Amino acid sequence: EVQLLESGGGLVQPGGSLRLSCAASGFTFDDYGMSWVRQVPGKGLEWVSDTSAGGGNTYYADAVKGRFTISRDNSKNTLYLQMNSLRAGDTALYFCAKRRGDWLASPLDYWGQGTLVTVSS
Amino acid sequence: SYVLTQPPSMSVAPGQTARITCGGNNFGSKSVHWYQQKPGQAPVLVVYDDYDRPSGVPERFSASKSGNTATLTISRVEAGDEADYYCQVWDSSSAHYVFGTGTKVTVL
Repeated sequence: EVQLLESGGGLVQPGGSLRLSCAASGFTFDDYGMSWVRQVPGKGLEWVSDTSAGGGNTYYADAVKGRFTISRDNSKNTLYLQMNSLRAGDTALYFCAKRRGDWLASPLDYWGQGTLVTVSS
Repeated sequence: SYVLTQPPSMSVAPGQTARITCGGNNFGSKSVHWYQQKPGQAPVLVVYDDYDRPSGVPERFSASKSGNTATLTISRVEAGDEADYYCQVWDSSSAHYVFGTGTKVTVL
């Protein structure tokens, strides 16, 4: 059974940093691309970042480019999102999601339950 | 930036058919995926690559694409289908995944 378990969310002041983790199990982690998607409570889904299976290719939404860094440790079956220079507008529930394959147009076929990030003074 | 437009909401009676549209440009070159999200839950993939269903998704869920519009159809709607639905594509021009604005489906 595929499982994705996010952690690392919490309350942080504007300008601060946070690192999210996503522990994956139930599939061969290094065969699949992975994404982060966020959602402000009561609002729609917003794609944040994506990485290829090997981690060599990464992609970012314009809103986070230059501030967030996606990475993965395939030896630990773990996906990360390093978030720096956080702003109030980054407050959201952050989901980790597995791509169905390693091609860029592949859908997100499994999702974690999310970890809440709150940026506030 | 690439935009996918969905109607904000729709209501449908049990047993009827719900059709949720997703508007975008140059759909012909893109694969459209659809997600269902119930309150307090993570999204679930219900259709991928324009019209394919993951295993476990009822046949009542189907999808199509024509011109600049993709459509998710839910036949014989049930109370359990009440949820938010999102379309999604990969936009190669911007190297971004893009989600639609979302449609809240209410079952009367």
